[in-house]
Amino acid sequence: SQQGEEDPQALSIQEGENATMNCSYKTSINNLQWYRQNSGRGLVHLILIRSNEREKHSGRLRVTLDTSKKSSSLLITASRAADTASYFCATDAISGGSNYKLTFGKGTLLTVNP
Amino acid sequence: NAGVTQTPKFQVLKTGQSMTLQCAQDMNHEYMSWYRQDPGMGLRLIHYSVGAGITDQGEVPNGYNVSRSTTEDFPLRLLSAAPSQTSVYFCASSFAFGSLHFGNGTRLTVT
Repeated sequence: SQQGEEDPQALSIQEGENATMNCSYKTSINNLQWYRQNSGRGLVHLILIRSNEREKHSGRLRVTLDTSKKSSSLLITASRAADTASYFCATDAISGGSNYKLTFGKGTLLTVNP
Repeated sequence: NAGVTQTPKFQVLKTGQSMTLQCAQDMNHEYMSWYRQDPGMGLRLIHYSVGAGITDQGEVPNGYNVSRSTTEDFPLRLLSAAPSQTSVYFCASSFAFGSLHFGNGTRLTVT
């Protein structure tokens, strides 16, 4: 079963507004990552936050992680039409050993209207 | 720097045929993985590898085989294609516990 679930499934905003997407997961993790996918293309990594971190920034992106609630949020500030894409969270569940297995949620489709 | 290269980009198979989806990376990444993406299902992990000679199953491994004889290559074999395997397939690689680099995908249709 999929570890992470994004919310909402779809989000439509106007250019210049902020967009917030949430991710909830089920089991303890080593890290959580956010990816963007433009239509018909491969996924592109945006940001990685480790389980001992609470917040990270990268340009117009801000990610928070609350391990007690098993949730994360991705905030895109001052959105642009070019931010229109699907956004996925991915988690690396703690499984022991050196295994590294990233599982993805179903994604949030963000539409930024000019 | 090519990154992750997947071939072919498109493929049409008849039910029962077999084929291999190729994936190669030139970043010396230990970790490689295969995902399939279906509408409304997000990405689901098929198989993954943490190094040459080591592979393991993901969430949806049935009907697929993998091998990892070199660090660079991680082919995915469909043994006997079924319409349920119609999907977009993505290969990805990374250093252990790092961010994934994705290929551009293979769009497979099984009729």
